[in-house]
Amino acid sequence: GQNIDQPTEMTATEGAIVQINCTYQTSGFNGLFWYQQHAGEAPTFLSYNVLDGLEEKGRFSSFLSRSKGYSYLLLKELQMKDSASYLCAVRANQGGKLIFGQGTELSVKP
Amino acid sequence: GAGVSQSPSNKVTEKGKDVELRCDPISGHTALYWYRQSLGQGLEFLIYFQGNSAPDKSGLPSDRFSAERTGGSVSTLTIQRTQQEDSAVYLCASRITDTQYFGPGTRLTVL
Repeated sequence: GQNIDQPTEMTATEGAIVQINCTYQTSGFNGLFWYQQHAGEAPTFLSYNVLDGLEEKGRFSSFLSRSKGYSYLLLKELQMKDSASYLCAVRANQGGKLIFGQGTELSVKP
Repeated sequence: GAGVSQSPSNKVTEKGKDVELRCDPISGHTALYWYRQSLGQGLEFLIYFQGNSAPDKSGLPSDRFSAERTGGSVSTLTIQRTQQEDSAVYLCASRITDTQYFGPGTRLTVL
């Protein structure tokens, strides 16, 4: 079967660092994606990992370990506007559908 | 440049009616996907079009759901004889390389 797990909710303080974990068990693997979704809006692309290691993009970094079926999204210097749902998704084969976790609702407090 | 657009943004219908949801992908994107997001649930894959290949319909929940893509561009998702459990946000995405870009969605409410 296909299973992607991430925490339902997290709370962090403005200016701090937060790590959102994602574990997956899928029948195939051809990349892991992170999206940000503000309430009532479309998911927007944040990052893509297909090889093991860390990808850094400004305040956002994403890590992948294929052998452990594990990824995390790291957000630094948190801002209030980072309050959103963060979606972890796995692509099982090239070009194919994304399998999403339930999303992690992040609340950033002053 | 223009992103993925969807219409209508909101649709309220009565149980048993048919609805059509439209997606205009980013120009030049060859792949198009439909997902739905029910309240408190993750995004659920419905159907995928890639060029002239047969679509991947493996996510359609019942035969009341169908979709077509005309001329390799615009797509329409049709739900026949709507049920209350069809209430959700229906999201369309298009892709040219690795990344899928999502439209704003259509919020469907079935009364």
